[in-house]
Formats: sequence, structure tokens, C-alpha cells
Amino acid sequence: AQSVTQLDSQVPVFEEAPVELRCNYSSSVSVYLFWYVQYPNQGLQLLLKYLSGSTLVKGINGFEAEFNKSQTSFHLRKPSVHISDTAEYFCAVSDPLTQGGSEKLVFGKGTKLTVNP
Amino acid sequence: DTAVSQTPKYLVTQMGNDKSIKCEQNLGHDTMYWYKQDSKKFLKIMFSYNNKELIINETVPNRFSPKSPDKAHLNLHINSLELGDSAVYFCASTAGSYEQYFGPGTRLTVT
Repeated sequence: AQSVTQLDSQVPVFEEAPVELRCNYSSSVSVYLFWYVQYPNQGLQLLLKYLSGSTLVKGINGFEAEFNKSQTSFHLRKPSVHISDTAEYFCAVSDPLTQGGSEKLVFGKGTKLTVNP
Repeated sequence: DTAVSQTPKYLVTQMGNDKSIKCEQNLGHDTMYWYKQDSKKFLKIMFSYNNKELIINETVPNRFSPKSPDKAHLNLHINSLELGDSAVYFCASTAGSYEQYFGPGTRLTVT
């Protein structure tokens, strides 16, 4: 079964500093990988996804992530964060062989990013 | 023109009651889901429907019964509510591209 580990439950940083949120997955087959963001009291919004192709994926709001198959990682990065980036970030994995309604996301436990002035 | 909407946003009820949460998507997607987010923010899939047919049922107690009257709607009915059912419930939908669109969530509090 697939699983996702987000190594840091909380990451505090100062505004304009770079940040990396770590994600490792466990799967013996090919996977699709995602990062979602949840702002306080809101639903989840897709930041970026890796399905195939280039291992460096660019998303919204200046975020990017790098797929590393040998290390089974998909870390999220931003070179300079803003106060408005304060939110919960979730890494998720899906099995590309599923279809027809069986495409389920398995989420990590989330990383709370707090950007301080 | 909200893509995935849920009602109600907040639901406070007593143990033993029966309640329903409604979800609607106007994206034309074939597949809809219910997820549960617990107090520690952990998200877990409960059900998925594809064109009104149940596809995924993740060992959820049978007190939870999803119903899909058409492919744009997926409702969740919960019987005999328990304290442990308190959580935020999210509806989501997808066109099969693996990008899931989430609703704003329904915060259920059982007292």
C-alpha cells in the first residue's frame, strides 16, 4: 500500500526566507505526486503535480517541487516566502494505474508553514 | 460560480442524531469523493463515486451512507452520530486527470 511521510509537522520561517517542505513516499510502482495547500478554514487547493516528464515541477504562487525517484522524495520549495503563504501543506500520492473512480489520493499528515514578519 | 460546494458549512448536533451533508459540483466531472479530516488535520478518503456508482468504500462504518442522485451531486448521510464522528468532511471531484477539486468543507461537531 502507498504511504506518504511528511517529515516536519511544523516549519516556522521568516518572511522572504527560502523554505523547503519535505515529502517522502513509499510505493513499489510508479506514482503520481501532488502538493496541496489548505489555508485556514478553507478547502484544499492544488499547488502542483508530477505525472511524468521533467522532474522539476513548477506550481502556483512561486512554488516548485522536484521528483527524485531514487530517493522516493518530492520536496516542495519556495525561494522567498510571504506572510500569505502561512498555511497547511499536504503531499499526496496516487496510483497511475487506477481509473474510473478508483483514483484515490493518499495524503501525508501535513506540514504547517508559519511565516513570521 | 463555485466549482465544488458543500452545505452546511457548520453542523453541530447531539450524539445519536442523524444528519446529512450535501455536495454539488458544476465542473462536469464524473467522479466525486468524500474525505474526512480529523482534529490532527489528517485527511483520509471515505468513498468515491463514478457516474453514480460506488467505486471506493474505505472500511467506513455502515452508519455512513453516501448517495449520488446524479453525477453532479454526492450526499453523505450519517446515522446515530458518535463523538468520534466530529471532523471536517470534504467533498472533491475529478475529471479523471488525477487533479481533484475540493469543496470548502463541512465542520461537524457532535456533542
